[in-house]
Amino acid sequence: SQQGEEDPQALSIQEGENATMNCSYKTSINNLQWYRQNSGRGLVHLILIRSNEREKHSGRLRVTLDTSKKSSSLLITASRAADTASYFCATGSYNTDKLIFGTGTRLQVFP
Amino acid sequence: EAQVTQNPRYLITVTGKKLTVTCSQNMNHEYMSWYRQDPGLGLRQIYYSMNVEVTDKGDVPEGYKVSRKEKRNFPLILESPSPNQTSLYFCASSLSTSGAKNIQYFGAGTRLSVL
Repeated sequence: SQQGEEDPQALSIQEGENATMNCSYKTSINNLQWYRQNSGRGLVHLILIRSNEREKHSGRLRVTLDTSKKSSSLLITASRAADTASYFCATGSYNTDKLIFGTGTRLQVFP
Repeated sequence: EAQVTQNPRYLITVTGKKLTVTCSQNMNHEYMSWYRQDPGLGLRQIYYSMNVEVTDKGDVPEGYKVSRKEKRNFPLILESPSPNQTSLYFCASSLSTSGAKNIQYFGAGTRLSVL
């Protein structure tokens, strides 16, 4: 069962523009994580935000979490061609030991 | 270097021929997990393990087996592979026993084709 759903499914932008991806989920969570995957490769962790946090930054990444709306957004500022990848949100809940992944947003950044 | 190592990276096999995909981590992590990734479906968890000799089913366990005899290793076994198990497989590990509450570290993936 998919907990997170990313929106949009695909996004194409020019280098230097900002990219925003959204994630919606269904049940109460302990934390929400964002991962990046280059084509066919393993996932790499980007950022973890806990349910009592509203915003978190890491370099050019900004993540927000709105637990009342059960949604999160990932903002990549001043994007680069090297940011081209798929981005996944994943949610961890209080009552399971599983991290549940969404279906991902495919980001294409054109030079 | 801290890493999760999967082998093989690519595998083509035929229906019914038993196979094992190995996974090893060198970070002394408690939690290990297997996922499969299919187009349009994202990552789905197959099995996970919170500690040695402790394993549990994920969302899509049918047709798979796992074992956790040592902390560092978590092999995925397909006793009788079928074409619907053609997929990209990832092993992951996490520091604490609850993989849902911490960062997961992923292997590079194993692309399996079952003919």
